[in-house]
Amino acid sequence: KQEVTQIPAALSVPEGENLVLNCSFTDSAIYNLQWFRQDPGKGLTSLLLIQSSQREQTSGRLNASLDKSSGRSTLYIAASQPGDSATYLCAGGPGNQFYFGTGTSLTVIP
Amino acid sequence: GAGVSQTPSNKVTEKGKYVELRCDPISGHTALYWYRQSLGQGPEFLIYFQGTGAADDSGLPNDRFFAVRPEGSVSTLKIQRTERGDSAVYLCASSPGTAAEAFFGQGTRLTVV
Repeated sequence: KQEVTQIPAALSVPEGENLVLNCSFTDSAIYNLQWFRQDPGKGLTSLLLIQSSQREQTSGRLNASLDKSSGRSTLYIAASQPGDSATYLCAGGPGNQFYFGTGTSLTVIP
Repeated sequence: GAGVSQTPSNKVTEKGKYVELRCDPISGHTALYWYRQSLGQGPEFLIYFQGTGAADDSGLPNDRFFAVRPEGSVSTLKIQRTERGDSAVYLCASSPGTAAEAFFGQGTRLTVV
């Protein structure tokens, strides 16, 4: 069964810092990968999708990359803001389902 | 609607009762997923529909759980003889196709007392 690990489990940074969240899969046969944010008591908000033919995606201050050979993905957040505080989840899979990590809880301190 | 809608947002039921959770996907999305999320954990896959058929139900924990999507749009997750361990947030997602971006609803928080 696919296992997904997210490191670190929690992260606290001062406003303005750049940061990197990591995600790794035990089975590198990932068809596509998606990053989400989840606010307390809420559903998941899609941030970025990296499809099978892609290696990275960018949206505003966010950049996600995927190395399929190693089964690793990173989410880079530039110039962090207090509004970025949330739990970030990565999910990957063969297409018919996603395997999720347990998330990285991010706190950006004003 | 603009997004995936799940009802009810909260459901409290007694152990042993039957419950139904509803998901309205984004219009035109053919793929629909159900997930379950326990506190402090990532979502866990339950079932995937492509159109009306359950293409993958390998995540359903046992035969008390069943889901339908009769017309290829709205889906209902049904849980029989609920147990306290079924308490979790049940999330529904839809996407335009199998490998496309998935959009999640706000979830139904189920509490079995």
